[in-house]
Amino acid sequence: ETGVTQTPRHLVMGMTNKKSLKCEQHLGHNAMYWYKQSAKKPLELMFVYNFKEQTENNSVPSRFSPECPNSSHLFLHLHTLQPEDSALYLCASSGEVEETQYFGPGTRLLVL
Amino acid sequence: DAKTTQPPSMDCAEGRAANLPCNHSTISGNEYVYWYRQIHSQGPQYIIHGLKNNETNEMASLIITEDRKSSTLILPHATLRDTAVYYCIVRVAYGGSQGNLIFGKGTKLSVKP
Repeated sequence: ETGVTQTPRHLVMGMTNKKSLKCEQHLGHNAMYWYKQSAKKPLELMFVYNFKEQTENNSVPSRFSPECPNSSHLFLHLHTLQPEDSALYLCASSGEVEETQYFGPGTRLLVL
Repeated sequence: DAKTTQPPSMDCAEGRAANLPCNHSTISGNEYVYWYRQIHSQGPQYIIHGLKNNETNEMASLIITEDRKSSTLILPHATLRDTAVYYCIVRVAYGGSQGNLIFGKGTKLSVKP
């Protein structure tokens, strides 16, 4: 499925690096989401955007900075991450926030 | 915390029906039952959802008990590619934190030749 794409698919970064994850949805949706999935743990919601406005921040540390320039694109800017931030980062979108969410393939992040 | 209970793992023979149970005894009248699956290290894939009535699509069938306290996802003819973790989630169909998807540990379905 190519409705929601994420780049890069894999990323290795040092703790002092700055990197960005990109998500793009081709479904005409208005809501977009970032999730984190650490090893052996359930998916955790990080951020929700609705019509480009952030509507939810699930107590995420400031070293994760989301950006939503339009309804089709969502970024996650990463700065001075810790090794425990290594995880699969997933993007999702839905028509409206109450509707079914569709996920991208994820970015596998390793912080050294 | 997830509001559903699922067995941690199940096996199914290839070509047979896979029946995945889910308990949601505290479900509210306005909460839907959603099913997703996640094949190893990929993004979750939406399967099906329902409120009260049984639902069927090209992937699966969803059977919800009359009291809505439990449901069963049925994959009618399981293939090896159906091996995945299956998540049963209840959520209200409106915005705000109550409408968030809360993922539990799911059921690891292994389809065997």
